[in-house]
Amino acid sequence: DAGVTQSPTHLIKTRGQQVTLRCSPISGHKSVSWYQQVLGQGPQFIFQYYEKEERGRGNFPDRFSARQFPNYSSELNVNALLLGDSALYLCASSFFGPTGTEAFFGQGTRLTVV
Amino acid sequence: DQQVKQNSPSLSVQEGRISILNCDYTNSMFDYFLWYKKYPAEGPTFLISISSIKDKNEDGRFTVFLNKSAKHLSLHIVPSQPGDSAVYFCAASATTSGTYKYIFGTGTRLKVLA
Repeated sequence: DAGVTQSPTHLIKTRGQQVTLRCSPISGHKSVSWYQQVLGQGPQFIFQYYEKEERGRGNFPDRFSARQFPNYSSELNVNALLLGDSALYLCASSFFGPTGTEAFFGQGTRLTVV
Repeated sequence: DQQVKQNSPSLSVQEGRISILNCDYTNSMFDYFLWYKKYPAEGPTFLISISSIKDKNEDGRFTVFLNKSAKHLSLHIVPSQPGDSAVYFCAASATTSGTYKYIFGTGTRLKVLA
């Protein structure tokens, strides 16, 4: 069975550009969450979507946006990239929201902003 | 404001001995806790979870203990194996908050020595 898949695995962008990261959840999972992990820190929550609706948003600027599609896949968009956006972006899927259930992570997308 | 803290950035243990990883939290609304293991260049892998209605949960070599009064949880690995060498993150969730997110600690790097 396929786990959570993310694309691309690595990405290099220039300051000011826009980026779109993609995530396909585990089959049957209706919830997708996005996290940002910078070196030396734990993952920081960005968004959670369940049944195509935003259910939670972390403390990130409006440059960050996301959406979930009818097939439960998801995209994370970041506009006007800053050097500080360089990080590992993780997607996690779960059958429901995190309420009492574990989330399964993809391998992440390593974004480098130069 | 770090709501979930892992105060030991690293831990070294001999193969076959017990590894004990600790985690403290400050938010009394947290009621679901998880441990994840992360290898370099991979996403976090779910290990074990515990609900606040329990004080212990076991899965094979892994046991998580929860002390609600002290706002402390720990992960015991017995016996430790070289393949357990990784970064371990604890995470917490407030399932009744309506915001579906995990708060992660900063991680503890475990090294199991052969």
